[in-house]
Amino acid sequence: EDQVTQSPEALRLQEGESSSLNCSYTVSGLRGLFWYRQDPGKGPEFLFTLYSAGEEKEKERLKATLTKKESFLHITAPKPEDSATYLCAVQGGRSNYQLIWGAGTKLIIKP
Amino acid sequence: SQTIHQWPATLVQPVGSPLSLECTVEGTSNPNLYWYRQAAGRGLQLLFYSVGIGQISSEVPQNLSASRPQDRQFILSSKKLLLSDSGFYLCARGGRATGRSSYNEQFFGPGTRLTVL
Repeated sequence: EDQVTQSPEALRLQEGESSSLNCSYTVSGLRGLFWYRQDPGKGPEFLFTLYSAGEEKEKERLKATLTKKESFLHITAPKPEDSATYLCAVQGGRSNYQLIWGAGTKLIIKP
Repeated sequence: SQTIHQWPATLVQPVGSPLSLECTVEGTSNPNLYWYRQAAGRGLQLLFYSVGIGQISSEVPQNLSASRPQDRQFILSSKKLLLSDSGFYLCARGGRATGRSSYNEQFFGPGTRLTVL
C-alpha cells in the first residue's frame, strides 16, 4: 500500500538550532515528492518538488533532499517565522492525479 | 499569477442544513481541480478531483458532492450537513498529467473553515 509517514509529529527548537524533518515513503514508481509549509488557518504553501534520488533543492534556510526511501527537510539556523506545519506528499503508483499525503510535522521555533 | 479564490472564509451551519462552497481559479485554463478536507491536527483527505468540465471523481463515499460547471469553477455541496462534516476545506489546482513523466504539484486556495453545530 502506498504510504507517506512524517516524523517527528512535533519539533520544538530554539532560534538558531538547526535540525531536520523526515518524510519516509513507500510508493511504486515515484514521480515526484513535494514539500509544503502550512501556517495556522491557511492553505498549504508549495516549497519544493524533488523528482529523483540524490536531488537537492534550497530556499533560504530550507534544504530538501531525496533518497529512494525518504526525504529530509533540513532547517538551518531557524527563526521564529519558520514556525509552521510542514507537509510532505508524493506522486506515484497508478494515479496521475492524486497525491499521497503525510500528516505533517509541526515545527515551533522559540526566540 | 494563478490565484485560487475560495468563499466563504468561515461558515457556521446547523446540522441538516445544505452547503455550497465555491472555488474559482485565475490565470490557467483546463486545470485539474481538487477538494480536500483537513481535520484539526491531521493531514489532507482528498474528497474529489476533476480533470475537466463535468468530470468529477470521488475518493470518499459521504454525503458531499462536487460539480464543475465551468472550466475554472469547482463547487462542493451537501444537501444535509452532519456534525462530522466540520473541518477545513481546501481547494487546489494541479499540474497537467501527461504520461509517466507527469508531475502534479498542487497549489492551494486559502480554505474555508466549516463548523457544523
